[in-house]
Amino acid sequence: DIQMTQSPSTLSASVGDRVTITCRASQSINKWLAWYQQKPGKAPKLLIYKTSSLESGVPSRFSGSESGTEFTLTISSLQPDDFATYYCQQFNAFGQGTKVEI
Amino acid sequence: QVQLVDSGGGVVQPGRSLRLSCAASGFTFSSYAMHWVRQAPGKGLEWVTLISYDGNNKHYADSVKGRFTISRDDSKNTLYLQMNSLRAEDTAVYYCARDAATGQHLQMYFDLWGRGTLVTVSS
Repeated sequence: DIQMTQSPSTLSASVGDRVTITCRASQSINKWLAWYQQKPGKAPKLLIYKTSSLESGVPSRFSGSESGTEFTLTISSLQPDDFATYYCQQFNAFGQGTKVEI
Repeated sequence: QVQLVDSGGGVVQPGRSLRLSCAASGFTFSSYAMHWVRQAPGKGLEWVTLISYDGNNKHYADSVKGRFTISRDDSKNTLYLQMNSLRAEDTAVYYCARDAATGQHLQMYFDLWGRGTLVTVSS
């Protein structure tokens, strides 16, 4: 089974910061990587699919990229609404999550 | 309104059974593969199971294989998860989720989620 290793587990940042979260796959995969945002007590929300495609309605400050088996979620300018936990996902495997906090 | 409403959670003793439901509305339910994803308290997301749009294909995580059964009733626009032989480690919020693709082209990412229903396995 594919394992997804996400880092960091916690990230402290300020409004306006550029933030990057990384997800590494245990083996080479195609570009079927998705990113989700989850706020406390809420269901996850799809942000990015197929590595770099922005889900409808998601702000353009979110972007996704890849280099080999390493995938990155970037928030270009962190907004107050972005403080949440982020998960990567490939097929049936999720990363451990990254909590973005002040 | 396009939505999924999951229900059926509660407190159950180890070894007992529980059935979760997920009512879909606002879209053509029968065109989509559906999934269950769970989240233990304070933990990350874990994919549990999927059923194809036509109900002919089902897949399970190793952790639930042989104990959980996914099914669907397209006449009722409802997805089910029958959970038997429940264990303490099955305690989690269970979310139903829609696969992003229609028909046989499974995408394995999820563009619509229910709010979740909490299952607590405890004596």
